[in-house]
Amino acid sequence: DGGITQSPKYLFRKEGQNVTLSCEQNLNHDAMYWYRQDPGQGLRLIYYSQIVNDFQKGDIAEGYSVSREKKESFPLTVTSAQKNPTAFYLCASSVSTSLNTEAFFGQGTRLTVV
Amino acid sequence: KNQVEQSPQSLIILEGKNCTLQCNYTVSPFSNLRWYKQDTGRGPVSLTIMTFSENTKSNGRYTATLDADTKQSSLHITASQLSDSASYICVVRNAGNMLTFGGGTRLMVKP
Repeated sequence: DGGITQSPKYLFRKEGQNVTLSCEQNLNHDAMYWYRQDPGQGLRLIYYSQIVNDFQKGDIAEGYSVSREKKESFPLTVTSAQKNPTAFYLCASSVSTSLNTEAFFGQGTRLTVV
Repeated sequence: KNQVEQSPQSLIILEGKNCTLQCNYTVSPFSNLRWYKQDTGRGPVSLTIMTFSENTKSNGRYTATLDADTKQSSLHITASQLSDSASYICVVRNAGNMLTFGGGTRLMVKP
C-alpha cells in the first residue's frame, strides 16, 4: 500500500542522548516535513525538504537535524541540545509545496525523555 | 502574525446529535483552508479543502463553510457517531505556501 510510515511509534530517550526518528514514504512525493505537536497547541514546523539533498529550517529547528539523501526518506534527529523534546512528532509529505496540494501525515512518533 | 484560533477547545456531545466547530484566522494573504481529523495517537487526515471562492463544501456528514471576508470557517458534523471522537484541526495556507495550524478542537461523542 502507498503511504507514509513513521517508526518507532513510541520512543524513550535518556537526557543527553541523541535519537533518530524514521520517516519513509512510497508516494513519490517531492516534499517532506517534520512537525512537533504539543497538547493544546497547533503543529509547529521543525524542518522541511522540497527536494533530495536540500532542506530548510522551520519555526523551531533548534536542537533538531535532518537529512534527505533519498527521496523516500527524511529522518529527524533530536539532539541533546533540544531542551524539551518530549512531544508527538509527525512527518508529512506532499507532491510538492505548491498551493492546494494535500499533505499526507504519518502515524506519528511519541518521544518521551526519561 | 499568522494565527489560527479554534473553538471550542473541547466538546462533548451525545451520539446522533449535531455540532459545529469554529475556526478564525488572521493568515494573509489567504490561499486555502483545510480541516483535518486526527484520531488519538495518529496522524491527521484531510476532510475537506476550502479555497477563496468556495463558501460551502460537504464530505458525507461533514460540511465546511468559509467566509473569507470575516476570515472564519466552520465544520458542521451531522448525526454524530462514536467514531467521530477525535481532534479536528483547521489549517490555513497563505499565498507564500506556509501552513498555520490551529490548536484543534477535541470532540468526544458519547453513547
